[in-house]
Amino acid sequence: AQSVAQPEDQVNVAEGNPLTVKCTYSVSGNPYLFWYVQYPNRGLQFLLKYITGDNLVKGSYGFEAEFNKSQTSFHLKKPSALVSDSALYFCAVSPQGGGNKLTFGTGTQLKVEL
Amino acid sequence: EPEVTQTPSHQVTQMGQEVILRCVPISNHLYFYWYRQILGQKVEFLVSFYNNEISEKSEIFDDQFSVERPDGSNFTLKIRSTKLEDSAMYFCASSELAGAYYEQYFGPGTRLTVT
Repeated sequence: AQSVAQPEDQVNVAEGNPLTVKCTYSVSGNPYLFWYVQYPNRGLQFLLKYITGDNLVKGSYGFEAEFNKSQTSFHLKKPSALVSDSALYFCAVSPQGGGNKLTFGTGTQLKVEL
Repeated sequence: EPEVTQTPSHQVTQMGQEVILRCVPISNHLYFYWYRQILGQKVEFLVSFYNNEISEKSEIFDDQFSVERPDGSNFTLKIRSTKLEDSAMYFCASSELAGAYYEQYFGPGTRLTVT
């Protein structure tokens, strides 16, 4: 069975500082990995995904994520946080060849302060 | 930018009643999904739907649940006899085609409260 862990319920960072939101996964075989963001009263919005190839994936709004197979991690990063980045972030995994079902983590609340 | 829409945004119902949650997927998308999130817990997959058939479902999606595409635009989730534990946020999603190359686009959700 596949699973995702987001070890931090909340991450606080000052505007302009780099941010990292952590995600580790467990899946049989090669994973497809995703990050989604949820703003209040909005649906989950796709940020980026890793399917294959370069371990560093760039996505929307300046976010990027690094796939690390040996550590089974897919941490979300941004070099310089904005107050408008404050939201709930979800990591998700889908097994290669395992259909379209996404398995989500519990989410990490990011708070960027001035 | 096209969006997935869901109605109502909040539904309150009594235990044992039937509810229908509605979704309008993005118009050229062929795959449709329902997920739910119980307060404070993970977003969980319920079901995927393609070509008027369920393509995959989770163990949560028991006989009390059904999905339908009644016309060319709507996609519905019916809960036949609601239980207290069905209280959750229900998200509809759609994707152009199957496979991880095609992102799933999510609606804003319907908050279902069963009393």
